[in-house]
Amino acid sequence: EAGVAQSPRYKIIEKRQSVAFWCNPISGHATLYWYQQILGQGPKLLIQFQNNGVVDDSQLPKDRFSAERLKGVDSTLKIQPAKLEDSAVYLCASSPGTTGELFFGEGSRLTVL
Amino acid sequence: AQSVTQLDSQVPVFEEAPVELRCNYSSSVSVYLFWYVQYPNQGLQLLLKYLSGSTLVESINGFEAEFNKSQTSFHLRKPSVHISDTAEYFCAVSSPYGGSQGNLIFGKGTKLSVKP
Repeated sequence: EAGVAQSPRYKIIEKRQSVAFWCNPISGHATLYWYQQILGQGPKLLIQFQNNGVVDDSQLPKDRFSAERLKGVDSTLKIQPAKLEDSAVYLCASSPGTTGELFFGEGSRLTVL
Repeated sequence: AQSVTQLDSQVPVFEEAPVELRCNYSSSVSVYLFWYVQYPNQGLQLLLKYLSGSTLVESINGFEAEFNKSQTSFHLRKPSVHISDTAEYFCAVSSPYGGSQGNLIFGKGTKLSVKP
C-alpha cells in the first residue's frame, strides 16, 4: 500500500515570496491533516479536512496560509507571503478514522531567507 | 485545553540498557494517548496507542507504555535498547469527543540516542 506522498521535499524561498506544498493521502483515507513542525518543537495542527470539508482550521494563520482539498483526495497548502518564522517542516497526514492513528508523509522542509 | 509535556529533550543510553521516556499530559476530559517515532530522515510513525481497556500497551518491537490516570502519565519503556532504536519519540494526546477527534496535540519530542 502506498504511503502519504508529499512534494517538494525541500524548498528555499525569500521572505514575502509564495510557496505551495502538495499532499496525496493514502487511498480511502477520508481525513487529511496538515501539521507544522518548527525545529525543536512537536508538530502543531494547521488544518484538518474530512473528505473535502474543513473540520478544524482554528490554528491556521489565515492572513497568509490557505489550504484546499480537491475532490476529497489531494490537498495543497499555500503560504503567501512567507515570513522568516514560517521556516519549518510541513507534515501531511491521513487517517482512516478519527482515533488519532495518523499516517504521515516524509514532510516538506521550508527555509525562508 | 490539552497539553503534553515530555520531560527529557535528549536521552543517551548504551546498547542493551533499559530506557524510560517520560510523558505527562493535561486534560479535563478523557483522552486517547499515543507514542509516535521519527527515525532519521523519515516521517512520523505510530509506535503504540492507548484508546481504552488495558492500561499497558505494547509495540511489536519491544516498547511498552502504561497509562496512569492518577499521575496523568504515559511513559514509554524498553528493557533493552538497540542501536536501531535511535530516533526522536513524540508523545501525543487527542480527545475522543467532538468533531476534531483525530487532532493530535504533540509534546516537543525526546531524542533517544543509543550508543554501542
